[in-house]
Amino acid sequence: AQSVTQLDSQVPVFEEAPVELRCNYSSSVSVYLFWYVQYPNQGLQLLLKYLSGSTLVESINGFEAEFNKSQTSFHLRKPSVHISDTAEYFCAVSDRKDTDKLIFGTGTRLQVFP
Amino acid sequence: EAGVVQSPRYKIIEKKQPVAFWCNPISGHNTLYWYLQNLGQGPELLIRYENEEAVDDSQLPKDRFSAERLKGVDSTLKIQPAELGDSAVYLCASSEGHSSEAFFGQGTRLTVV
Repeated sequence: AQSVTQLDSQVPVFEEAPVELRCNYSSSVSVYLFWYVQYPNQGLQLLLKYLSGSTLVESINGFEAEFNKSQTSFHLRKPSVHISDTAEYFCAVSDRKDTDKLIFGTGTRLQVFP
Repeated sequence: EAGVVQSPRYKIIEKKQPVAFWCNPISGHNTLYWYLQNLGQGPELLIRYENEEAVDDSQLPKDRFSAERLKGVDSTLKIQPAELGDSAVYLCASSEGHSSEAFFGQGTRLTVV
């Protein structure tokens, strides 16, 4: 069985500062990894995903995440955040053999201040 | 293109009463999911459909929860009777299936008083 740990429930940061949202996973099998974002009063949206190939994956709005197999991590980073990045971020994992079953972490609330 | 539509957005009921949630997935999406999201937690899968067949309902509390997707399109999730601990957000998602991206609705926030 897989599990996901997001150690930081809240991350406050000033606009234009860098940010890192941490995600660690536990699994006995090979996995796919995902970051979802939930803006206020909206549904979850896929931000980026790692399936195979390059361990560094990027989103269209400047976020990136790096798959680190030895540390079982998939941390999300952005070099300079905007007010509009304020949202809840969820890390998720799925078994490569059962890709439709997502296991989510508890989420990290990113609050960007002006 | 419309996304996943859920209704109602909010529901307040008294304990022991029944409640139903409705989900309309994205057109053409064969896979439909119902997730439960408790306050301060990530979503947890309740049930997954492939067309009209429930292929994973292992996490659905079958004593009080039921779901259906009769024509392989819309789906309803029912709780009868509701308990105080059922207060949560119920999320519906759909995908084309087999490793495709899941698209989520805005959810139904249930409050049981």
